[in-house]
Amino acid sequence: EVQLVESGGGLVQPGGSLRLSCAASGFTFSRYWMSWVRQAPGKGLEWVVNIKEDGSEKYFVDSVKGRFTISRDNAKNSLYLQMDSLRAEDTAVYYCARRARWLQFPDAFDIWGQGTMVTVSS
Amino acid sequence: DIQMTQSPSTLSASVGDRVTITCRASQSISDWLAWYQQKPGKAPKLLIYRASSLESGVPSRFSGSGSGTEFTLTISSLQPDDFATYYCQQYNSYSGTFGQGTKVEI
Repeated sequence: EVQLVESGGGLVQPGGSLRLSCAASGFTFSRYWMSWVRQAPGKGLEWVVNIKEDGSEKYFVDSVKGRFTISRDNAKNSLYLQMDSLRAEDTAVYYCARRARWLQFPDAFDIWGQGTMVTVSS
Repeated sequence: DIQMTQSPSTLSASVGDRVTITCRASQSISDWLAWYQQKPGKAPKLLIYRASSLESGVPSRFSGSGSGTEFTLTISSLQPDDFATYYCQQYNSYSGTFGQGTKVEI
């Protein structure tokens, strides 16, 4: 079964750090671009970051540039999101998602994890 | 940055209705557009990719059309399971902006 499972969410104080993980199974992880998407409570979806199959390209939404870092370990079939200098507005459910493949391009987000909640509050 | 605008924000409909949701991009995105369905407390589910391609396993009552800056999602005959929130998304290698969502309610 193709699956993504996030972990690492929790309560953190403003200015603090948190590292999210996403464990992939059921597919060849190293062949796919991956992304993180978040959703603040009661709000819509917000794309956060994309990472290329080999980790050589990374693209972030402006609001997290310089604070969030994305990485992947293809040997461990795992994706990570390091979140530093956290703010109240980063409070959200964070989803990891697989980018489908079309020719050599990353396509739509076809597989999603169940999400992990991050709460930034004092 | 590319902005995505969906309309309407909320849509009231009945079982059996034909429903259309519109999404507009602030600049041309060719056909790099997807539609997702999300139910409360659940992850989004891909319905349509590349503007008009139906994801495997998605009922054929869902269809997408458009290119450039104007796109539509159509549900030909609304079913009870279709009451949910729908999002459009433009995507490429370096971004993935979502529309604000359309809640389809009874």
